[in-house]
Amino acid sequence: DGGITQSPKYLFRKEGQNVTLSCEQNLNHDAMYWYRQDPGQGLRLIYYSQIVNDFQKGDIAEGYSVSREKKESFPLTVTSAQKNPTAFYLCASSSRGAGGSYNEQFFGPGTRLTVL
Amino acid sequence: SQQGEEDPQALSIQEGENATMNCSYKTSINNLQWYRQNSGRGLVHLILIRSNEREKHSGRLRVTLDTSKKSSSLLITASRAADTASYFCATAPTGANSKLTFGKGITLSVRP
Repeated sequence: DGGITQSPKYLFRKEGQNVTLSCEQNLNHDAMYWYRQDPGQGLRLIYYSQIVNDFQKGDIAEGYSVSREKKESFPLTVTSAQKNPTAFYLCASSSRGAGGSYNEQFFGPGTRLTVL
Repeated sequence: SQQGEEDPQALSIQEGENATMNCSYKTSINNLQWYRQNSGRGLVHLILIRSNEREKHSGRLRVTLDTSKKSSSLLITASRAADTASYFCATAPTGANSKLTFGKGITLSVRP
C-alpha cells in the first residue's frame, strides 16, 4: 500500500521546545517538500529536497530545519526560534518526469501543531 | 510569494449546477496544477495541464489554460455535495526546479 505518511496527527509544544515532525514515503519519489498552512490561507513552502543529502530553503525557512538522510524520510524540526509555529504542516513528495520537470505532488494527511 | 491567485475566494452553488473557478499567475510556467483539500486533510491532486496544452478533461473536471493571459479555469460539472472542499491552483516554473507555488484557494460549498 503505497503512500506518504505523517506523524503525529496532533502535536502540542511548550514555548521554547524543539519538536520534530515525521514524514515517510514509499513511493520511491526523489523530491520531498514541507509546507505550512495557516487558517484560510494557501500553502507556504518551508523546505524541499530533490535528492538525498541535499535540501533547499523555501519561502519561510527561518526557525525550521530538515534532514534528508534517506530517500524515504524527510523530517522537519520546528525550533524554538520559530516565533509563531502554531499551524497545519503538510509533507509532500513527487517524482521526476520527462525532461527533468517534476510531476504532481502527493500529500500526507498533515500534522497540526499547537504551541501552548 | 504566491504566484497563483484564485477567483472567487468563495463559491456557493446548488447540487447539480456547474462550478467555475479561475486562477491567474504572473511568470512563465512549465505546468499548472489543481488540487483539492477537504477540511483538516492533506491535498489531493486533481489535474495537471502543461504549458503547451489548452484544455484537459478528467471525469467531471475540465481545465483550460491560456498562457497569453496567464490564466486557468477549473470547471466542475454536475456538482455534488461531496465536491464541497477548498480548491487550489499551483504553478510549476519553467526549468528543472521542483517547486510549486500555491494560491490561497477557493472554498466551494455545494448545497444538497
